[in-house]
Amino acid sequence: QVQLQESGPGLVKPSQTLSLTCNVSGGSISSGGYYWSWIRHHPGKGLEWIGYIYNSGTTYYSPSLKSRVSISVDTSKNQFSLNLSSVTAADTAVYYCARVRRLIYWYFDLWGRGTLVTVSS
Amino acid sequence: DIQMTQSPSSLSASVGDRVTITCRASQDILNNLNWYQKKVGEAPKALIYGASNLESGVPSRFRGSGSGTDFTLTINSLQPEDIASYFCQQSQTTPWTFGQGTKLEIK
Repeated sequence: QVQLQESGPGLVKPSQTLSLTCNVSGGSISSGGYYWSWIRHHPGKGLEWIGYIYNSGTTYYSPSLKSRVSISVDTSKNQFSLNLSSVTAADTAVYYCARVRRLIYWYFDLWGRGTLVTVSS
Repeated sequence: DIQMTQSPSSLSASVGDRVTITCRASQDILNNLNWYQKKVGEAPKALIYGASNLESGVPSRFRGSGSGTDFTLTINSLQPEDIASYFCQQSQTTPWTFGQGTKLEIK
């Protein structure tokens, strides 16, 4: 079955760029009907949706992060990536990649286990 | 942004109990409400989409209801494996937003 796995540095210095990759296995990222998304969970707080990408490259970002976020897709590697620039301690969180299923309703039907990213010097 | 208010934040119940978690949206989201389960060390899992549709493979003791601004997740006959955090999410309007979560423990 399809599985998602996040990877990337667990520690990023303030002002640098956080870069994560989500590897999709067991299925093609080019499958129609799905969008691919990033979500984060701050310690002690709720989940925050970051944005999504379609396999065509169409993206949508949360307005609160739009100026710093970029999501890209590499269909040849069956993966998609997150770049978050100018990070601060407030960006410390568990980052999840997820698949968005679009039926009549949109929802995250598949998630990765998440990866903790700490922003600290 | 649409604010999602989830309650309670934590809950302790006994095996066999019926458990209810509520989620309130700050504006009408029709039926665009989803529920997820997060167990320690595992990836989050979709339980209910579109307010009341059971995700494939999810036990039938999980039930979602509601529309508009008020929604409920009910777990009938609580099982030990239901120990987890539960959170709601609206997909009516971007940016999609989540409730703060409910941590469920077994007495």
